[in-house]
Amino acid sequence: NAGVMQNPRHLVRRRGQEARLRCSPMKGHSHVYWYRQLPEEGLKFMVYLQKENIIDESGMPKERFSAEFPKEGPSILRIQQVVRGDSAAYFCASSGSLSGGSGELFFGEGSRLTVL
Amino acid sequence: GENVEQHPSTLSVQEGDSAVIKCTYSDSASNYFPWYKQELGKRPQLIIDIRSNVGEKKDQRIAVTLNKTAKHFSLHITETQPEDSAVYFCALPGGSQGNLIFGKGTKLSVKP
Repeated sequence: NAGVMQNPRHLVRRRGQEARLRCSPMKGHSHVYWYRQLPEEGLKFMVYLQKENIIDESGMPKERFSAEFPKEGPSILRIQQVVRGDSAAYFCASSGSLSGGSGELFFGEGSRLTVL
Repeated sequence: GENVEQHPSTLSVQEGDSAVIKCTYSDSASNYFPWYKQELGKRPQLIIDIRSNVGEKKDQRIAVTLNKTAKHFSLHITETQPEDSAVYFCALPGGSQGNLIFGKGTKLSVKP
């Protein structure tokens, strides 16, 4: 049973280019979360999606960042016109049914974005 | 929104000693308190969690205690081993169901 799959694992972009990060949740999971982790820092929540719906995007910058989780295919985090400050590890997590309001998040291995 | 503070930010112990990491929170409605471990370059993974109807939970060398009155919960690792070296994060439910808000992490170093 495959876990959360993220690709690419490493991505290098020049300033002004676009970055697309993909996440396939664990089989049977319908909740997807994206987190950003700067070097030596914690996990900062960005966005929470269910199939075809953005549930909570309160942690995502209003400009240049967007996320989707289409009916078919992986969730995608898109960063347009990247800047050096976007360099970070982007982790995707998924969860299944939410017993008692919260449950375990299963994380992918992360996508490490470097902006030159 | 919910806020969680985690201390200490770094912790160094000798192998065999105990380690304690503490998190405090502000929202008294929080009812789920997980701890995640992230080894260098790896994904965060859940190691133990506790719900608000329980004061303590133990799993071999790790335990979590919860004090709802004082609004803090702690991770206890006994008989530490070098492989316990990692960054540990506490977390709380965020504003939307299922989302977790993480503490800033504690970098634990266990010296042989």
